Amino acid sequence: AQTVTQSQPEMSVQEAETVTLSCTYDTSESDYYLFWYKQPPSRQMILVIRQEAYKQQNATENRFSVNFQKAAKSFSLKISDSQLGDAAMYFCAYRSAETSGSRLTFGEGTQLTVNP
Amino acid sequence: DVKVTQSSRYLVKRTGEKVFLECVQDMDHENMFWYRQDPGLGLRLIYFSYDVKMKEKGDIPEGYSVSREKKERFSLILESASTNQTSMYLCASSAGYLRGSPLHFGNGTRLTVT
Repeated sequence: AQTVTQSQPEMSVQEAETVTLSCTYDTSESDYYLFWYKQPPSRQMILVIRQEAYKQQNATENRFSVNFQKAAKSFSLKISDSQLGDAAMYFCAYRSAETSGSRLTFGEGTQLTVNP
Repeated sequence: DVKVTQSSRYLVKRTGEKVFLECVQDMDHENMFWYRQDPGLGLRLIYFSYDVKMKEKGDIPEGYSVSREKKERFSLILESASTNQTSMYLCASSAGYLRGSPLHFGNGTRLTVT
């Protein structure tokens, strides 16, 4: 079974600075997807970014980018120019592309605080 | 935009009660999911369904059951609520035909069992 680990329960960053959230995963599969979701106090889970394992290029969405290291099974999220609205719980998630169904396996989450 | 609606935002029930959590999605998605969210544990999958009347157990199905009689609706049932089922419950859906499609979530139901 796949597992996802986020080793940083809490992180903080100053507004306008850059922060990196860590995620590692364990799998024997070669074809899969990785996601970062954001959950603000409203509780709505919002997709931040998605990475396909077969793509070498790291995904980018505006101020959000990932560092995907397939051999190391690492998938970190970098937030540039942090804004107060980035404060939220961030979850890393794994989805197999090889098995049926589309369930996601989530990490424990990292609570990000943005200081003004 | 995909909309996933959970019937209750907050719910308080007594131990032993039968509890129904309802979820409806409006995008004709094949797949629907129920997760439970607890501090320090992330989201854990309870049950999922990839078609009407189909269901599969997730990682923590004990004490729960589900029902999917219509494609748009997926219900989570706590047959006899217990205090250890106090938690946040999140429903999600995804398109079955789209490779790598993400999950779309509802706003969650915070259930307290006293």
